[in-house]
Amino acid sequence: DIVMTQSPDSLAVSLGERATINCKSSQSVLYSSNNENYLAWYQQKPGQPPKLLIYWASTRESGVPDRFSGSGSGTDFTLTISSLQAEDVAVYYCQQYYSTPLTFGGGTRVEIK
Amino acid sequence: EVQLVESGGGLVQPGGSLRLSCAASGFTFSSFWMHWVRQVPGKGLVWVSRIDTDGSRTRCADSVKGRFTISRDNAKNTLYLQMNSLRAEDTAVYYCARDVASCTNGVCPHDYWGQGTLVTVSS
Repeated sequence: DIVMTQSPDSLAVSLGERATINCKSSQSVLYSSNNENYLAWYQQKPGQPPKLLIYWASTRESGVPDRFSGSGSGTDFTLTISSLQAEDVAVYYCQQYYSTPLTFGGGTRVEIK
Repeated sequence: EVQLVESGGGLVQPGGSLRLSCAASGFTFSSFWMHWVRQVPGKGLVWVSRIDTDGSRTRCADSVKGRFTISRDNAKNTLYLQMNSLRAEDTAVYYCARDVASCTNGVCPHDYWGQGTLVTVSS
């Protein structure tokens, strides 16, 4: 199984400042035949299901604000919120869909400082 | 509007069974691979099972293999999860989720999720 490790577990960022979340996979999720990274990011607010933000490591889902961006390749990935807004308070998860079992990171809680 | 509505959760004793349902609407259900993902309240997300468009190919997590069965009825636009031999560690909110429309081979992220149904396994 591919193990996904997120860091930090939580972070507090001032409104308007940058938030950076890291995700590391135990093996590469880059598929050589199409050069795509099988990595997604989700946002989950209390009492709600997860919401897809980013897939193929850097493709923003329709309707997701452009302050959210994804980067990285192979085994190391980053989700960046360029200017934190109050509505971004949530837990963020990375997921690999390269192979079954699909696996998620442990989550990163983002709060306002 | 795409909607996924889970039902069938509740309190069950260890060793018991439940069948979860996920009613889909607002899209061509038979064209999408579907998944079940669970979450212990306050904890992280765990993938449970996946099924292809016509139900011929399924995969389950090792933790539920032999106990849980995913299936679907495309005529009824409904996804199921039959859960047998339930254990306390199966207690969680169970979500159904759809693969993104642009991805059709089952190795995809999930763009729509239901609100979840809570399964509690306790005596």
